[in-house]
Amino acid sequence: AQSVTQLDSHVSVSEGTPVLLRCNYSSSYSPSLFWYVQHPNKGLQLLLKYTSAATLVKGINGFEAEFKKSETSFHLTKPSAHMSDAAEYFCVVSDPRIGNEKLTFGTGTRLTIIP
Amino acid sequence: EAQVTQNPRYLITVTGKKLTVTCSQNMNHEYMSWYRQDPGLGLRQIYYSMNVEVTDKGDVPEGYKVSRKEKRNFPLILESPSPNQTSLYFCASSLWGGVGYTFGSGTRLTVV
Repeated sequence: AQSVTQLDSHVSVSEGTPVLLRCNYSSSYSPSLFWYVQHPNKGLQLLLKYTSAATLVKGINGFEAEFKKSETSFHLTKPSAHMSDAAEYFCVVSDPRIGNEKLTFGTGTRLTIIP
Repeated sequence: EAQVTQNPRYLITVTGKKLTVTCSQNMNHEYMSWYRQDPGLGLRQIYYSMNVEVTDKGDVPEGYKVSRKEKRNFPLILESPSPNQTSLYFCASSLWGGVGYTFGSGTRLTVV
């Protein structure tokens, strides 16, 4: 079985300050991990993915995430928040079992940027 | 442009009236899947398909049907919609192997 826990349902930061969105996962297999972003009234866009290569993963729009197996974490960070970063973010774990490329989503973290 | 196209974007219907939400992808992806998104619950998988004529249940399949007669299309069918199926639905497609998924723009369904 696999699961994802996003530790904060809502995060607020000031523009220009660092962003940290926390994610812990549980998986019986070597997982693939993703972060997706959903802007209001939009679909989901892939920010970055970890698939057992480098543990520090760089994504689009200045975001990055670090896979820490010992802590079962995959936290998303950005050095300096921009107003356009306001959105909902989902941490996702992929079950690599043959026959079901199954995604398990976290419940989401809403990021608010304060001007 | 590589994309997943869902139609319609918005739909209001009445209980019991059959409806179909279409999904089409132009990337020759083998894997397609349907999700529903509800507040506080994230996205939950309804059905998935690994290739033509191969479909299987996800976490919340009750009340839904799918078909995969062609590689590019994966319609979601609600034979007798009920109010608890009011939700935001997403179709997604992917190549094999955890490379990441491309999502459609979503269909907001309201059943009254």
